[in-house]
Parts: sequence; C-alpha cells; structure tokens
Amino acid sequence: NAGVTQTPKFQVLKTGQSMTLQCAQDMNHNSMYWYRQDPGMGLRLIYYSASEGTTDKGEVPNGYNVSRLNKREFSLRLESAAPSQTSVYFCASSEGRTGIYGYTFGSGTRLTVV
Amino acid sequence: SQQGEEDPQALSIQEGENATMNCSYKTSINNLQWYRQNSGRGLVHLILIRSNEREKHSGRLRVTLDTSKKSSSLLITASRAADTASYFCATDVKGGADGLTFGKGTHLIIQP
Repeated sequence: NAGVTQTPKFQVLKTGQSMTLQCAQDMNHNSMYWYRQDPGMGLRLIYYSASEGTTDKGEVPNGYNVSRLNKREFSLRLESAAPSQTSVYFCASSEGRTGIYGYTFGSGTRLTVV
Repeated sequence: SQQGEEDPQALSIQEGENATMNCSYKTSINNLQWYRQNSGRGLVHLILIRSNEREKHSGRLRVTLDTSKKSSSLLITASRAADTASYFCATDVKGGADGLTFGKGTHLIIQP
C-alpha cells in the first residue's frame, strides 16, 4: 500500500534514554515533515526536509535531531528523552512545498517518557 | 503559535444534519487545507482551497474561503456516523517557512 510508514507505533522510554523514530514514504515525494500532537495543542512542526540532503527547524525543534537518509526516509532522534516529549509523533510527506494534494500522514508513534 | 483556530472546539449533531466548522487565521496564506483525524489514527487530507478561490466542493464537503476576513468554513452535508472525527484546518503561510500550520481542531460527533 502506498503511503507513509512509521515505526514503532508505541514506545515507552525512561528519562534520559535515546531513541530514533523511523519514517519512510513510497510516493516519491520531495518534502517530508515531523509533527508532534499534544492534547489541546493541535499539531506543531518539529523539523522538515524540503528535499533530499536538506533539513530545517520548525516551531519546536529543541531536544530533537533529524536525518534525511535518502528521498524515502526521514528519521527523528531524541538524544535524551524528557517527560515533556511525551506526545504522539506524526511523519508526513508532500509533493513539493505543500503539494496540490496536501500532505500524506503516517499513522503515528505514541511515545511516553517516564 | 497557532495560525489557525477552529470553532467550535466540539460539535455534536444528529445523523443526517449538516455540520459547519469554522477556521480563522492571522496572516496571508497561499492556500488553506482541511484534514480529518479519526481517533488514534493519522490525519487524512480532505480538501485544499487556494487564496484566489472562494468556494470548493468535494462530494459532501463544501469549503469557503474569505481572505478579507481571514476565515474559512467547512460544511459537511447529510452527516453520517462515519463522519465522527476531529477536523483540522491548516494554512500554508505566504512568505513563511515550509510546513503547514495547523489549528487545534474541531471534534465532531454524529449521533445515530
């Protein structure tokens, strides 16, 4: 099935642990994004990649790093997890800046930091 | 900061009725998009309206855009139980950085 695949779907971390959230798309999209969704806050942009080899900060980048490994894959790394990073993380991709068809989202990673 | 704000935050109607959700935003946009999110799932793109368009239709969805008031509305006609979800507006800010800016969403409940 074409789309955006995120792994893992659920994760529990202890404060200070690190982990990488994986995202892959098979639609040949140039742009990829990482958002976090918190109750009552909507979605907030963490990082984005307009094309292979480029990454830029979004609204809430502190505590995160990203890697655009190739055109298909865009990973999000938490180097030292904090309880404030408990959230649902969504990866998305688009054809061009926003794309005439909008964004395609993955199903999300629910992360709990204890 | 939130660019888009949906109103109301929650809406409960009977199946078959029409549902209207509103979105207001603060700065000039290239386009505005609406997304649906079912509980525990990712967001699904519904419709995109460009800044030079005033109205757009897709099936039972009707979107309007008033750039002078910086507002948009999403109308779902003849609602069904399967329309129960959260609905988000998202804006592509003119001259802004890449990435859509999302509102906080309207939670729509369709009562059978």
